[in-house]
Amino acid sequence: EIVLTQSPGTLSLSPGERATLSCRASQSVSNRYLTWYQQTPGQAPRLLIFGASSRATGIPDRFSGSGSGTDFTLTISRLEPEDFAVYYCQLYGSSPSLPITFGQGTRLEIK
Amino acid sequence: EVQLVESGGGLVLPGGSLRLSCAGSEFTLSNYWMTWVRQAPGKGLEWVANIKQDGSEKYYVDSVKGRFTISRDNAKNSLYLQMNSLRAEDTAVYYCANLGMANIGIDYYHYGMDVWGQGTTVTVS
Repeated sequence: EIVLTQSPGTLSLSPGERATLSCRASQSVSNRYLTWYQQTPGQAPRLLIFGASSRATGIPDRFSGSGSGTDFTLTISRLEPEDFAVYYCQLYGSSPSLPITFGQGTRLEIK
Repeated sequence: EVQLVESGGGLVLPGGSLRLSCAGSEFTLSNYWMTWVRQAPGKGLEWVANIKQDGSEKYYVDSVKGRFTISRDNAKNSLYLQMNSLRAEDTAVYYCANLGMANIGIDYYHYGMDVWGQGTTVTVS
């Protein structure tokens, strides 16, 4: 089973700064299967990025995804107050019969 | 507004059973593979189970195989999770969501879990 490791565990930044969040897979994976979510306290996760780099509907363009192989990145170009949350990367299998894996999350907190 | 609404959570004794429901509003579940994802208190997200549009295919994480059953009633626009032999480690918020995978011939297009319920809390204690 492929393991996703996110780093850092916690990232402390100020509004207006740039955030770079990492997601590393234990073996090479297809970009098609890598997804990012945002979760604020008490809320369900919100889809941000699918296919490693495609923004979901309604997601501001300050959010971008990149990467390939084993290393993927979520970048938030200029942090807004509402961006401080927990971010998860997620890996699909090639079909619904295969397990879905989530990273352990990165907490983005206000410095 | 497109939404999913879960219900059925609660406090249950170890070894007990619970049935979670997920109803679609302005969202036609029958068009989608659906999934359950859970989140233990203070922890990350964990995939639990998937079900095909017609209910003919079901897949589970190893830790719930033989104990949990995912099902759906498309006429009622609803998804279910029957949980038996519950353990303390099943304590979590349970979310239903659109799986975010669509058939394209023999392949699949992955577009992310874009519709989620608000979650229902299950406590096994």
